[in-house]
Amino acid sequence: EPEVTQTPSHQVTQMGQEVILRCVPISNHLYFYWYRQILGQKVEFLVSFYNNEISEKSEIFDDQFSVERPDGSNFTLKIRSTKLEDSAMYFCASGKRAQETQYFGPGTRLLVL
Amino acid sequence: GENVEQHPSTLSVQEGDSAVIKCTYSDSASNYFPWYKQELGKGPQLIIDIRSNVGEKKDQRIAVTLNKTAKHFSLHITETQPEDSAVYFCAAMGRSNYKLTFGKGTLLTVNP
Repeated sequence: EPEVTQTPSHQVTQMGQEVILRCVPISNHLYFYWYRQILGQKVEFLVSFYNNEISEKSEIFDDQFSVERPDGSNFTLKIRSTKLEDSAMYFCASGKRAQETQYFGPGTRLLVL
Repeated sequence: GENVEQHPSTLSVQEGDSAVIKCTYSDSASNYFPWYKQELGKGPQLIIDIRSNVGEKKDQRIAVTLNKTAKHFSLHITETQPEDSAVYFCAAMGRSNYKLTFGKGTLLTVNP
């Protein structure tokens, strides 16, 4: 069964550094998402991406964040200058259509020191 | 925006018993309600979902009920097994076509 994959599984970085989190969505899916979960808190929506552009973003997704689909398979989340409060588990998800099932990857645990 | 509350935060049952997890939502326009199971070290996995034009949906030992008037929906797991132990999340999709709003999760422990 096809799965969403994410790399790396864990990343430790220094405050102010740039990080890129990578995702490979399920191959015939057209809608791509990033969510995050700070330890002990809810899973929060960050951004959705369709047809090579952002379709919706949350207030968390400020100018420090960007997303890209650099080729036909990868979907990336870049955090330009990490802050301590960016430490969280970041989940990528994909879906065939809007308003339908979103399939989640295993997550990348980001720790900002 | 949408707000989803989930109860209880932890639930411990004996193997073979039933487990019920409840969620409420705030946006009456919400129309899609998935439930996810998250095992340790893994991402959320969809286990069942329901749309607002349906009151109940069942898949083997798992069922979801939706009460649109009261704006709440529930997950029912019957004949629980130790492998059902995990964190369960409810979610709702409101006016947005894309954004899922999650509950805080329920840690279910099934004791053998």
